[in-house]
Amino acid sequence: QVQLVESGGGLVKPGGSLRLSCAASGFTFSDYYMSWIRQAPGKGLEWVSYISSSGSTIYYADSVKGRFTISRDNAKNSLYLQMNSLRAEDTAVYYCARGKIDYWGQGTLVTVSS
Amino acid sequence: QLVLTQSPSASASLGASVKLTCTLSSGHSSYAIAWHQQQPEKGPRYLMKLNSDGSHSKGDGIPDRFSGSSSGAERYLTISSLQSEDEADYYCQTWGPGVFGGGTKLTVL
Repeated sequence: QVQLVESGGGLVKPGGSLRLSCAASGFTFSDYYMSWIRQAPGKGLEWVSYISSSGSTIYYADSVKGRFTISRDNAKNSLYLQMNSLRAEDTAVYYCARGKIDYWGQGTLVTVSS
Repeated sequence: QLVLTQSPSASASLGASVKLTCTLSSGHSSYAIAWHQQQPEKGPRYLMKLNSDGSHSKGDGIPDRFSGSSSGAERYLTISSLQSEDEADYYCQTWGPGVFGGGTKLTVL
């Protein structure tokens, strides 16, 4: 069965960095677009970034452009999100998702606070 | 600009039916959407993909009580025989690039 398992969340100070990972299994990872979506406490869902199956097409929400970098390693069935210059407003649960979203991971919490 | 609009809240009685609406912005009425459910304190779950002609394909294990339909720029999610576990936030989502509606909080009375 399809599984997406995020890791790497935690508490970080404003201006700091964090790298999230998403381990995929149960499907041919290299066939699918992959996305990161976040949800701030008490708020709705926000699409952060997506990457095409080969990595050649990448999208970022304006709120993270220039600070976040999405990447993937198809040999390791893994998706990544490098987050730099973190701000308090980046505090959220971060989910990875498959394709145009038909499976979600369980999420990992990122807290940006001094 | 591609925008999805949802009512913030809805309510219906246990055992009844409810129809939630997601409206595509002008010029985007041909777009397919997806519906996702988020129960309290849980991550989202994919319910279905819904095309402009009303055809839909549901995710793994989604009960027959959940169905979708379309009319023009409106996309609907109908939940019949409401159960307590259907109380959740429901989000519509499309790709162009990624866009989410604001979500509808469904209360089961």
